Amino acid sequence: EAQVTQNPRYLITVTGKKLTVTCSQNMNHEYMSWYRQDPGLGLRQIYYSMNVEVTDKGDVPEGYKVSRKEKRNFPLILESPSPNQTSLYFCASSPGTTGNQPQHFGDGTRLSIL
Amino acid sequence: AQTVTQSQPEMSVQEAETVTLSCTYDTSESNYYLFWYKQPPSRQMILVIRQEAYKQQNATENRFSVNFQKAAKSFSLKISDSQLGDTAMYFCAFMKHWGNAGNMLTFGGGTRLMVKP
Repeated sequence: EAQVTQNPRYLITVTGKKLTVTCSQNMNHEYMSWYRQDPGLGLRQIYYSMNVEVTDKGDVPEGYKVSRKEKRNFPLILESPSPNQTSLYFCASSPGTTGNQPQHFGDGTRLSIL
Repeated sequence: AQTVTQSQPEMSVQEAETVTLSCTYDTSESNYYLFWYKQPPSRQMILVIRQEAYKQQNATENRFSVNFQKAAKSFSLKISDSQLGDTAMYFCAFMKHWGNAGNMLTFGGGTRLMVKP
C-alpha cells in the first residue's frame, strides 16, 4: 500500500530535550516536505526536499532541522524543543512539483512540549 | 507571495442539505492550481477536489463541486446532499503551476464543518 508513515503519532516531552519525528514514504517520491498545523493558521511549510541531499527552508524553519540521506526518509529534528513548537506536524511527499502531482500526507504527529 | 483566506471559521449544515465554503486568494501568478482538502477527526489530509487555473470549467467530484472565479480570485466549495461523514475541517490551498520554489502549498486557515442529523 502506498503511504507516508510518520512516527510517533503522539509525543509529550519537556523543553530542551532533543527529539526526532521520522517520516518514510514507499512511493519513490522525489519531493518531501514538513508542515505544522496550528489553529486558525492552516498548515505552514517548515522544510522541504527536492531530492536526496537537497533541502531548503519553508515559511517557518526556525528551531527545526531536517536531513535527506535516503530518498524514502525525511526526519524532522527538534534540537532544543520549546513550548511554541507544540503543534500538529505533517509530512508529505509527491513525485514532483507540479499541480497534477498532488501531495500524499502522513497521518500527523501531535507534539506537546511542556 | 501567495495568501489564502477562509473567512468562515465554522459552519454547520443539516444532513442532506447543501453548503458552500468560501475561499479567496491573492497571487500575481497567472497559472496555478487550487485545492480543497478535508481533514476528518482522524487527522488525515484527504484531497477532495483540484482546479487548474487555466481551465474555465469548474471541477466536480461526485457531491463536491467548486465555483472558480479567477478574476475575483475566489474558489468556493459546494457540498451537495451533505452526509454525516462530511463533518471535518476543510482547507483551501494554492499552488503555483511550477512549484520549483519552496512553498508548494499555501493553505488557508480552515473551516470547521459540522453536519447535523
